[in-house]
Amino acid sequence: AQKVTQAQTEISVVEKEDVTLDCVYETRDTTYYLFWYKQPPSGELVFLIRRNSFDEQNEISGRYSWNFQKSTSSFNFTITASQVVDSAVYFCALSGYYNQGGKLIFGQGTELSVKP
Amino acid sequence: DADVTQTPRNRITKTGKRIMLECSQTKGHDRMYWYRQDPGLGLRLIYYSFDVKDINKGEISDGYSVSRQAQAKFSLSLESAIPNQTALYFCATSGLYSGTGQETQYFGPGTRLLVL
Repeated sequence: AQKVTQAQTEISVVEKEDVTLDCVYETRDTTYYLFWYKQPPSGELVFLIRRNSFDEQNEISGRYSWNFQKSTSSFNFTITASQVVDSAVYFCALSGYYNQGGKLIFGQGTELSVKP
Repeated sequence: DADVTQTPRNRITKTGKRIMLECSQTKGHDRMYWYRQDPGLGLRLIYYSFDVKDINKGEISDGYSVSRQAQAKFSLSLESAIPNQTALYFCATSGLYSGTGQETQYFGPGTRLLVL
């Protein structure tokens, strides 16, 4: 069975702090995809990144970076120099390569609060 | 204009009523999905459709039905609404599997449904 665990339910930081959101997944697939989505207070879901299981290179996009480690089944997300606009719920999700219906398995989400 | 739209954005209904949530997309995607979000549970898949003639049940389809009227339109119906169907509902779309991997799902803005 596939499962995604985001153990941190809520995180609160002060602006300019770095913060890491943890994501641990379980799958029997040898090839799979991992995603991060952001849900700001307005409620929409914004796609942030997709990572293939055969590509373990870390990725950086501005203040965002992602650390993918197959050995520990983790796909962690770091925000450097956090800003108030980063306050949102962040979801990690998993999808099998052979589609399995194309469904995304979501973690429970981590609510990040960045205070000024 | 938004690529994935949902109507209505908010809806209040009474137990036993039939309601329909609609989703339209201009992304030209073949695949469409309906998810519901409940606090602390992330998003769970209700139904998904690979094309107009292909509709499949997701994780939590009981109490729901869907209709794929066209490639761009996918509707979710609650035949007889009950209070535990109160949730935030999302429609999502993704491109046809091309052999290069799982396409990213893009989400609509969501519909907040309250069943009294």
